[in-house]
Amino acid sequence: KAGVTQTPRYLIKTRGQQVTLSCSPISGHRSVSWYQQTPGQGLQFLFEYFSETQRNKGNFPGRFSGRQFSNSRSEMNVSTLELGDSALYLCASSSGTKYNEQFFGPGTRLTVL
Amino acid sequence: AQSVTQPDIHITVSEGASLELRCNYSYGATPYLFWYVQSPGQGLQLLLKYFSGDTLVQGIKGFEAEFKRSQSSFNLRKPSVHWSDAAEYFCAVAPRDDMRFGAGTRLTVKP
Repeated sequence: KAGVTQTPRYLIKTRGQQVTLSCSPISGHRSVSWYQQTPGQGLQFLFEYFSETQRNKGNFPGRFSGRQFSNSRSEMNVSTLELGDSALYLCASSSGTKYNEQFFGPGTRLTVL
Repeated sequence: AQSVTQPDIHITVSEGASLELRCNYSYGATPYLFWYVQSPGQGLQLLLKYFSGDTLVQGIKGFEAEFKRSQSSFNLRKPSVHWSDAAEYFCAVAPRDDMRFGAGTRLTVKP
């Protein structure tokens, strides 16, 4: 069974640009969660999608958005990038049953210059 | 305030020595509890989880954790550390629908 895949693995953008990150969950998983990991703030929950609907949302500004497609693949978008958005963005998938084990992808390393 | 605390930012142990990583949480009720490990350049891998029942839970790679309600703690242990255990370890809690992580403890293993 293939694991969670994230593309691209590395990304460099400049301030003010926007970026889209992609996550393909494990086959059969309907829940995708996104996290931001930085040295200063640690791991922070962004949002979770289940069956194409945002089921839960963390405390991030509206510049951070996401969506999920019918095949459970998910995208995360960050608009008007700021230097502080530089981080490792992790995607996790699960079957969607509450508190079921989350399987993490390797992450996308975003650098904002 | 609701929080997850891992008091030790960095721990160094010798290979073959025992290990205990601490985790304390502050929530109104007992949340669901997890330990994850992250190797450099990798995502997070679940080591073990506690939902209810036996307070001593066994995980993968020889790890175990004990839930102590009176101390609001969920410490991770391993009786004999291997060099391949060097990584960052995260305690996480799921009080409701979201998951909250501690700051992590970086483990260095000396030969």
